Amino acid sequence: DSGVTQTPKHLITATGQRVTLRCSPRSGDLSVYWYQQSLDQGLQFLIQYYNGEERAKGNILERFSAQQFPDLHSELNLSSLELGDSALYFCASSVALASGGEQYFGPGTRLTVT
Amino acid sequence: AQSVAQPEDQVNVAEGNPLTVKCTYSVSGNPYLFWYVQYPNRGLQFLLKYITGDNLVKGSYGFEAEFNKSQTSFHLKKPSALVSDSALYFCAVRVPILTGGGNKLTFGTGTQLKVEL
Repeated sequence: DSGVTQTPKHLITATGQRVTLRCSPRSGDLSVYWYQQSLDQGLQFLIQYYNGEERAKGNILERFSAQQFPDLHSELNLSSLELGDSALYFCASSVALASGGEQYFGPGTRLTVT
Repeated sequence: AQSVAQPEDQVNVAEGNPLTVKCTYSVSGNPYLFWYVQYPNRGLQFLLKYITGDNLVKGSYGFEAEFNKSQTSFHLKKPSALVSDSALYFCAVRVPILTGGGNKLTFGTGTQLKVEL
């Protein structure tokens, strides 16, 4: 158990809908990262927050947004969902903003868009 | 661009034999390299990392990795494989993001390890 929690574990929704994925980092970690894992794209970085502020952005679609709250938990919002958004979404956390430290991953949320 | 490559989609090895999962990197500057393992329907588990220092890095569950600067490689190894080691293995490199001061992990495509009796 990495100490990173994600809810829900599974999510099934229809095209055009909006969903929110939630992540709680390990105790003491200030950085939260979101990754998407799909068969065709592999593991892709989406976005990083550190202590409430956005600090790094990957190929995140404009339909997707995220935030980190004062208690350090983070939410990833996906809107106007398309079939291609079906994927496993991981949250990870680390202590620092940018260092050699490893990122610890949560169990993921499997999103299925029908 | 900073990247890693895993040239093998799948590696098969008999239990008790040594295993190697290959990774090569393309990085400007000093690389920060990582290995993660993913079991079915689970998240990624950190195995080990190379930041600096000894070229042989020891990690969890008996795994180790050898950093080779001249060959730009960071191969994962284990002296004696177990059936329970069967999983998907990812090599990754830390990439700093200059705007904002953050960072990300860039992953290889993954290597499926199958350990058979």
